Amino acid sequence: AQSVSQHNHHVILSEAASLELGCNYSYGGTVNLFWYVQYPGQHLQLLLKYFSGDPLVKGIKGFEAEFIKSKFSFNLRKPSVQWSDTAEYFCAVKGSGTYKYIFGTGTRLKVLA
Amino acid sequence: DGGITQSPKYLFRKEGQNVTLSCEQNLNHDAMYWYRQDPGQGLRLIYYSQIVNDFQKGDIAEGYSVSREKKESFPLTVTSAQKNPTAFYLCASSIGQPDTQYFGPGTRLTVL
Repeated sequence: AQSVSQHNHHVILSEAASLELGCNYSYGGTVNLFWYVQYPGQHLQLLLKYFSGDPLVKGIKGFEAEFIKSKFSFNLRKPSVQWSDTAEYFCAVKGSGTYKYIFGTGTRLKVLA
Repeated sequence: DGGITQSPKYLFRKEGQNVTLSCEQNLNHDAMYWYRQDPGQGLRLIYYSQIVNDFQKGDIAEGYSVSREKKESFPLTVTSAQKNPTAFYLCASSIGQPDTQYFGPGTRLTVL
């Protein structure tokens, strides 16, 4: 079955700590991969995406993610988090050429000032 | 100012009543989506539409219905058949050949 797993449901970090959020997917075929973020009281918005090419993609606000095809993973990273990164983060996968997106259950990140 | 609007922000209904949630976009996107967001369950796809007058069921379509009579509008009706309708509902759109989804602010529905 097609699915996305986010293993960390809640993460608490201090400012300046490094962040890595895991995302693994199960999908047969070529995929497009996304990370979305939902800041408190705001719309869900795109953080970064991978369609093809360089498996290391950079997004907004210093975030990056690496697509490792052999591991079916698309982990999100940031070398030094800020209090303003407190939000819920969602990984999503979509089969190339399809319209259906599959979202993970989300990771709530709290950054302590 | 382009974007997706959902109204109302909060909606209360009595059990057994149908309720329709509005979603309008002025991004000229062909595809539109409805998701349900529950704590700890992420976003689950209810319905999606690739073009006007066409739509497909998502993973949790039971108890919901949609229409797509206009490109910019994709209303969702939560029927009395939906057993647990209290949730946060998100509408999204994307340019035809699927790309980034853009999300609306959501509607929080509470059924009393």
